[in-house]
Amino acid sequence: QKEVEQNSGPLSVPEGAIASLNCTYSDRVSQSFFWYRQYSGKSPELIMSIYSNGDKEDGRFTAQLNKASQYVSLLIRDSQPSDSATYLCAVSNNAGNMLTFGGGTRLMVKP
Amino acid sequence: NAGVMQNPRHLVRRRGQEARLRCSPMKGHSHVYWYRQLPEEGLKFMVYLQKENIIDESGMPKERFSAEFPKEGPSILRIQQVVRGDSAAYFCASSRTGGEDSPLHFGNGTRLTVT
Repeated sequence: QKEVEQNSGPLSVPEGAIASLNCTYSDRVSQSFFWYRQYSGKSPELIMSIYSNGDKEDGRFTAQLNKASQYVSLLIRDSQPSDSATYLCAVSNNAGNMLTFGGGTRLMVKP
Repeated sequence: NAGVMQNPRHLVRRRGQEARLRCSPMKGHSHVYWYRQLPEEGLKFMVYLQKENIIDESGMPKERFSAEFPKEGPSILRIQQVVRGDSAAYFCASSRTGGEDSPLHFGNGTRLTVT
């Protein structure tokens, strides 16, 4: 079983819709959770971090964490074509920053 | 305010040659991480370094791969006697501290092609 799992997609949503990206992790002691966006051929860019159960909102992005279910998600409201990218879920299971990444979900927002 | 700088952006090596990948962290960052990304896959952790110390190299192959982060100068990821399977994008990231309050910032990567 992979440590961090994501549906590879592609997830296709129309412009203006809500995109919902999901991630599950296997290590119960995981403490820190991150979402990175990666455009094709580019470097990963941090867009959200979340450390405690519940929701965290930042602009059009909302991260949701449920440690009991070992589940973290990212919602993108009012999706734009420029949001089309691969979204990587990353988990840290210690006090440091050594992240374990999922395989990424490719999001396509169609105009 | 330069971000994480990696060079070269693209590197082509023949089988058996050596590849040297360089990474200069963001200003004020003393923690460096190397990740490898195969096509259509996520990033795999390789090694975590602080100045002059390897903190964790659990993701790095035992043979042919080595990394350093000297007191002066960039961090270097060195791959000896490259093979076709080494072809990948190698990303370096840096953080100010090693704590969870100091997120990783990634460089643009070095794309290694082994012919």
